[in-house]
Amino acid sequence: QSALTQPASVSGSPGQSITISCTGTSSDVGRYNHVSWYQQYPGKVPELMIYEGSKRPAGVSNRFSGSKSGNTASLTISGLQAEDEADYYCCSYVDSVTFVIFGGGTKLTVL
Amino acid sequence: QVQLQESGPGLVRPSETLSLTCTVSGGSISHYYWSWIRQPPGKGLEWIAYINFSGNTNSKSSLKSRVTISVDTSKNQFSLKLSSVTAADTAVYYCARHGLDTGNYQAYFQYWGQGALVTVSS
Repeated sequence: QSALTQPASVSGSPGQSITISCTGTSSDVGRYNHVSWYQQYPGKVPELMIYEGSKRPAGVSNRFSGSKSGNTASLTISGLQAEDEADYYCCSYVDSVTFVIFGGGTKLTVL
Repeated sequence: QVQLQESGPGLVRPSETLSLTCTVSGGSISHYYWSWIRQPPGKGLEWIAYINFSGNTNSKSSLKSRVTISVDTSKNQFSLKLSSVTAADTAVYYCARHGLDTGNYQAYFQYWGQGALVTVSS
């Protein structure tokens, strides 16, 4: 099972919106609505930002939203802030044997 | 608030067995799935294995022959053993608690430990 495909980097200016894509196949992202997204600052622990495709855990800003179209899941950050600069990873359920696979990660730069 | 803490040797010799324990506080180990996830320096995340309080386990297919995961509910701990390690196993190892989701797939990681850097070197 190959890793999910994410862009290596994206960038945006403060106040703008950016979208990070996560492309899988009809056997993972396209088949289930069980994509999660994690934010990780350098040297820090990953933090859950989105689960089940579009649900936000308590305490996560509503500037973060998740969606899916076909085999591609997306994380959108609106009203970009300097503190959003981090690495972002997507993760999808595959099946009961493989369980989950991660994307390669996307580095977000706030210009 | 659930807290997880990894413990174990930071240096392991090639061909030996990596052993890590995750201690859970602020909540019971029951009713959830618990995973080990690793991140090689400068690279992405890789799921290794999970276990639940009943002892049901699963591990990544490419690591399955080398992975042992176990749980000790009396100590609120779960553990990872990875045998025959090489330099490619050098990584920060995280323990994590899964979240509850629709359909009980438990396919996301809600709480994470601080991570333990394990270096494989002679």
